[in-house]
Amino acid sequence: QQPVQSPQAVILREGEDAVINCSSSKALYSVHWYRQKHGEAPVFLMILLKGGEQKGHEKISASFNEKKQQSSLYLTASQLSYSGTYFCGTEKDAGNNRKLIWGLGTSLAVNP
Amino acid sequence: DTAVSQTPKYLVTQMGNDKSIKCEQNLGHDTMYWYKQDSKKFLKIMFSYNNKELIINETVPNRFSPKSPDKAHLNLHINSLELGDSAVYFCASSPDRGRWTGELFFGEGSRLTVL
Repeated sequence: QQPVQSPQAVILREGEDAVINCSSSKALYSVHWYRQKHGEAPVFLMILLKGGEQKGHEKISASFNEKKQQSSLYLTASQLSYSGTYFCGTEKDAGNNRKLIWGLGTSLAVNP
Repeated sequence: DTAVSQTPKYLVTQMGNDKSIKCEQNLGHDTMYWYKQDSKKFLKIMFSYNNKELIINETVPNRFSPKSPDKAHLNLHINSLELGDSAVYFCASSPDRGRWTGELFFGEGSRLTVL
């Protein structure tokens, strides 16, 4: 089942914060976050495995709620380089095929 | 050296033609994937191979046939191309589950346009 991402699009001014959510109707094994810039391949940001887990990468961090049905990506003090489309990819179990089901993406534009 | 490389980067062809996209990875990974990204940016897995063995085969028309001659290569052949096949096709790779940090390593993509 495809995860639901919200919002669909965000426009920020440089320095502002944003939160992107990724929700599932069932418990997940893991959530993966990627950013894709226009015309480029998706680039890995982070993976969350455990309920309650939080991770950070510079000013981008994420959480995975205790019931493991929602993850949120936090972008703090946004920079122009943060612009792009953010995707969450989810796994329902730890099977060997590593099949990710992707959300439809959240388009983020950071303006000067 | 590019970690995951795809060729060609661009393909423009007529309906009904057959075309192939090639992918090679030099990361020593065991698993390779083909993803399709449509015009609305929806990413969908098509196929996955682990050590030359097909492990994911999503609901994809029979016109699409992947081939993995060895674990470093995964090619995609498409027969009788249709307008709806127009998309960006991404190849990706990852190590086995035991060594996986969660990252998929994507190629640059191959943009297929069917006229």
